[in-house]
Amino acid sequence: GQQLNQSPQSMFIQEGEDVSMNCTSSSIFNTWLWYKQDPGEGPVLLIALYKAGELTSNGRLTAQFGITRKDSFLNISASIPSDVGIYFCAGINAGNNRKLIWGLGTSLAVNP
Amino acid sequence: NAGVTQTPKFRILKIGQSMTLQCTQDMNHNYMYWYRQDPGMGLKLIYYSVGAGITDKGEVPNGYNVSRSTTEDFPLRLELAAPSQTSVYFCASSYGSGLAGETQYFGPGTRLLVL
Repeated sequence: GQQLNQSPQSMFIQEGEDVSMNCTSSSIFNTWLWYKQDPGEGPVLLIALYKAGELTSNGRLTAQFGITRKDSFLNISASIPSDVGIYFCAGINAGNNRKLIWGLGTSLAVNP
Repeated sequence: NAGVTQTPKFRILKIGQSMTLQCTQDMNHNYMYWYRQDPGMGLKLIYYSVGAGITDKGEVPNGYNVSRSTTEDFPLRLELAAPSQTSVYFCASSYGSGLAGETQYFGPGTRLLVL
């Protein structure tokens, strides 16, 4: 099945550092979603993007819907230990009957 | 609202046994989904439903069955469990109308081990 290219695969950073991750696709999307999955839990929605060029923030998190509609990035500023988890991007394109297409995730570890 | 709830949280099955994973949502969402997540991997869609009485296959439907007799419930059935079905199973739902309606909300997952 189709998947998004998400990078990096994993990151190990010091508390206080900023983090950036991105997703790219070969096809155009109408919606980009960023989820976080804590160990042993289901994914939780962080940010939803619905318009090309849109820049949306949620606390220390900022995400953008790429102008080409084929990519998105997520930034986390001033990381803290509770940011640890796996971050997934997901996208929906017009012809996909609302089925999400998922990235493989970015595993984030934060050293206190 | 409880959101999306799943039972059981954890189960061990022997090869060839059957079981039903339960999923309920109280958000009056039209769309419901079943995913599996293998270790270190992303989510793969097993089945989905766009409303009561309507179901359709996702990416990896073999070995599973679903039904949707009510808006709230979307059980996933494993008829003959195989070791390849060892995974974490997530149920999700979405309103299914308009852009914001495409956002999926997930349950806490069911961890299944087939031995």
